[in-house]
Amino acid sequence: GAGVSQSPRYKVAKRGQDVALRCDPISGHVSLFWYQQALGQGPEFLTYFQNEAQLDKSGLPSDRFFAERPEGSVSTLKIQRTQQEDSAVYLCASSFMNTEAFFGQGTRLTVV
Amino acid sequence: DQQVKQNSPSLSVQEGRISILNCDYTNSMFDYFLWYKKYPAEGPTFLISISSIKDKNEDGRFTVFLNKSAKHLSLHIVPSQPGDSAVYFCAASALGSGTYKYIFGTGTRLKVLA
Repeated sequence: GAGVSQSPRYKVAKRGQDVALRCDPISGHVSLFWYQQALGQGPEFLTYFQNEAQLDKSGLPSDRFFAERPEGSVSTLKIQRTQQEDSAVYLCASSFMNTEAFFGQGTRLTVV
Repeated sequence: DQQVKQNSPSLSVQEGRISILNCDYTNSMFDYFLWYKKYPAEGPTFLISISSIKDKNEDGRFTVFLNKSAKHLSLHIVPSQPGDSAVYFCAASALGSGTYKYIFGTGTRLKVLA
């Protein structure tokens, strides 16, 4: 595709609800990242995939957060039992190996 | 512990003048640095990068300078244009350590006045 595509753009979830955020990376990009950005802050690293392998998940804030990329392309970030502190913009980025990463527009999650 | 710091939350510059955005880092393992620009409701857009083997990289109006001994980098925009008004993030990674994640600063909001 032309760029990194994320869906949905906006998501409102009731506290306790499970959500799934989707990322379609740029075709051929090996590396895929998920970041979380709170208001007024820089993006914070969540997890990193190289093809289908999740090589780094050190940034996932709790075991309620789970990410997968089963076929080395599309990725899903799942948050179980959402809480208010999960409200943020979730950014996906992809890159071809170690080159610069290209970001999607993000999914703004609001937990009410 | 903030490994990448952007100490100026905002900066205003007159159109046509130079904009200088600064970034400091603490981790000596960082060897690849990037600048991203972000408009409201959009994802960050890659601007320019620099490897630690260089001390300068230029792309059009954008130049990034790296001072490894001071653990400092800066982004120069010359001449500044109103369309450059955005939030600028610097980011760093330690590729040589096999760590591909970027650590971002908190951003500097640049306003270019017409």
